[in-house]
Amino acid sequence: EAGVAQSPRYKIIEKRQSVAFWCNPISGHATLYWYQQILGQGPKLLIQFQNNGVVDDSQLPKDRFSAERLKGVDSTLKIQPAKLEDSAVYLCASSLDRWRENTGELFFGEGSRLTVL
Amino acid sequence: AQSVTQLDSQVPVFEEAPVELRCNYSSSVSVYLFWYVQYPNQGLQLLLKYLSGSTLVKGINGFEAEFNKSQTSFHLRKPSVHISDTAEYFCAVTHNTNAGKSTFGDGTTLTVKP
Repeated sequence: EAGVAQSPRYKIIEKRQSVAFWCNPISGHATLYWYQQILGQGPKLLIQFQNNGVVDDSQLPKDRFSAERLKGVDSTLKIQPAKLEDSAVYLCASSLDRWRENTGELFFGEGSRLTVL
Repeated sequence: AQSVTQLDSQVPVFEEAPVELRCNYSSSVSVYLFWYVQYPNQGLQLLLKYLSGSTLVKGINGFEAEFNKSQTSFHLRKPSVHISDTAEYFCAVTHNTNAGKSTFGDGTTLTVKP
């Protein structure tokens, strides 16, 4: 079974530029998450999707971050314009259906490391 | 709201010694508890989870954890560590009514020395 796929693995940009990250979850996983992991900290949830709908985006800095999952499968996270403090690893995760048989176990991709100069 | 505190940011230990990584959580509702491991430049992978039932849970790679409701703790243990266990370990908690939204601790770096 293929795992969660993310790209690119690494990205270096200057502040005020834009960047986009892509994620393809495990087949059949209805729920998709984007987490931000700053160096020395645990992952923090940015946004949670159920199919193509947003369940929770309360921690997403909406003035600069946006995310979509148009067809309920893969997802894109965009940052525009980037700030120095956005330097982090952006982790995508997926899980089984939110309401049925979901024990909360998350399946993570390898992450996209962003460096903002 | 829920929170997770990992009491040690770094734990150095010699190979074949026992280790305990401590985790305390705070929540006003029932929760599921998890330990994940992260190797360098990789994503997180599940070590073990507590959902209900027996308070002692066993996971992969010889790790186990004990859920203590009165002390709101979920400490991770291994009786004999290997060099390959060197990694970052994260404790996480999830409401059992919204199982997808996990809150993570800030991690414990386990370094196993020869």
